[in-house]
Amino acid sequence: QKEVEQNSGPLSVPEGAIASLNCTYSDRGSQSFFWYRQYSGKSPELIMSIYSNGDKEDGRFTAQLNKASQYVSLLIRDSQPSDSATYLCAVIGSNTGKLIFGQGTTLQVKP
Amino acid sequence: KAGVTQTPRYLIKTRGQQVTLSCSPISGHRSVSWYQQTPGQGLQFLFEYFSETQRNKGNFPGRFSGRQFSNSRSEMNVSTLELGDSALYLCASSLTSNTEAFFGQGTRLTVV
Repeated sequence: QKEVEQNSGPLSVPEGAIASLNCTYSDRGSQSFFWYRQYSGKSPELIMSIYSNGDKEDGRFTAQLNKASQYVSLLIRDSQPSDSATYLCAVIGSNTGKLIFGQGTTLQVKP
Repeated sequence: KAGVTQTPRYLIKTRGQQVTLSCSPISGHRSVSWYQQTPGQGLQFLFEYFSETQRNKGNFPGRFSGRQFSNSRSEMNVSTLELGDSALYLCASSLTSNTEAFFGQGTRLTVV
């Protein structure tokens, strides 16, 4: 079982729709979770961090965390073509302290 | 506030050579992590340094090594380069090990 799992996609949504990106993790003791956005040919950019169960909103982005289900998600409201990128879920291991990434989900927002 | 700076941005090396990559973290950040990114494997953790000490190491051969200096700048070295080492090498800095990490622009290494 991979430490952090994401559906590779591509996830295709029309402009203005809500994009929902999901991630599961194996380390039940993990406490820190992050979402990064990576445009083709660029380095990952941190867009959200979440540490507590529930929702955290920042502009058009909402991160959701459910530690009991070991599940993290990212919702992007009013999706724009500029949101088209690969979204990486990352988790800090409880014993190792390592920041481990999923394979990423490619999002395509169609005008 | 300056971001994470990686040098060089691009490198072409021949099999068997060695290479050194450099990373200057955000001012005040003491943790530096290195990652290898390839299309097939995604972002793979190489190692993490905090206050000049290696705290974590990924599953890479001993040809991959690193160090951190007293000013938190870090270098990673790859010896006896192989074709499969061609990748984007990314450095990320954070205040401490368990806080948000910010990436540099990366070094694109091509081994021919």
